[in-house]
Amino acid sequence: QKEVEQNSGPLSVPEGAIASLNCTYSDRGSQSFFWYRQYSGKSPELIMSIYSNGDKEDGRFTAQLNKASQYVSLLIRDSQPSDSATYLCAVNMNSWGKLQFGAGTQVVVTP
Amino acid sequence: DVKVTQSSRYLVKRTGEKVFLECVQDMDHENMFWYRQDPGLGLRLIYFSYDVKMKEKGDIPEGYSVSREKKERFSLILESASTNQTSMYLCASTVGGQPQHFGDGTRLSIL
Repeated sequence: QKEVEQNSGPLSVPEGAIASLNCTYSDRGSQSFFWYRQYSGKSPELIMSIYSNGDKEDGRFTAQLNKASQYVSLLIRDSQPSDSATYLCAVNMNSWGKLQFGAGTQVVVTP
Repeated sequence: DVKVTQSSRYLVKRTGEKVFLECVQDMDHENMFWYRQDPGLGLRLIYFSYDVKMKEKGDIPEGYSVSREKKERFSLILESASTNQTSMYLCASTVGGQPQHFGDGTRLSIL
């Protein structure tokens, strides 16, 4: 069974601080990696895609990928209360776009 | 922007009924997916389709079937609804190794 592991949290982060979320995956052949944000009662919303080793920045979000260590992370800088949500790590499984999702990390940003 | 539309946000049905959940995407995506999401269990794949009239079972297909007669539309069918099928149902679409885009979800209650 190919797996994607995340810490479930909750991860409590003071407003203005950096939230650091981690994800490990078991399938060495995976090529595409995604982070989704999901507010309570809502559907997942794509916030980052990363395909090659290194860092990718988009606004306050930075995704980091290390394929050798089978590790992908998400940093949220200057955390805001609106960042309070569950963050899902997803790894592409095949050419049809099938994804394996982690269980999600709940982030709580405290004022 | 990709638009994935699910026919209902909330739906209440009775046990034994045949239930249809509809999903339409407007981006000509080949691949479409149906998930259910329950507290503590994360996203679980029910069925996916990689072409018109083509379907593959996901992790939890029992009690469900699907139909894809047109490329833009993917229907999930609960043949005889049961209370343990009360859940949030999410449809998604994608092409190739790109991220999946989700609809708003249908919160289905079976009484």
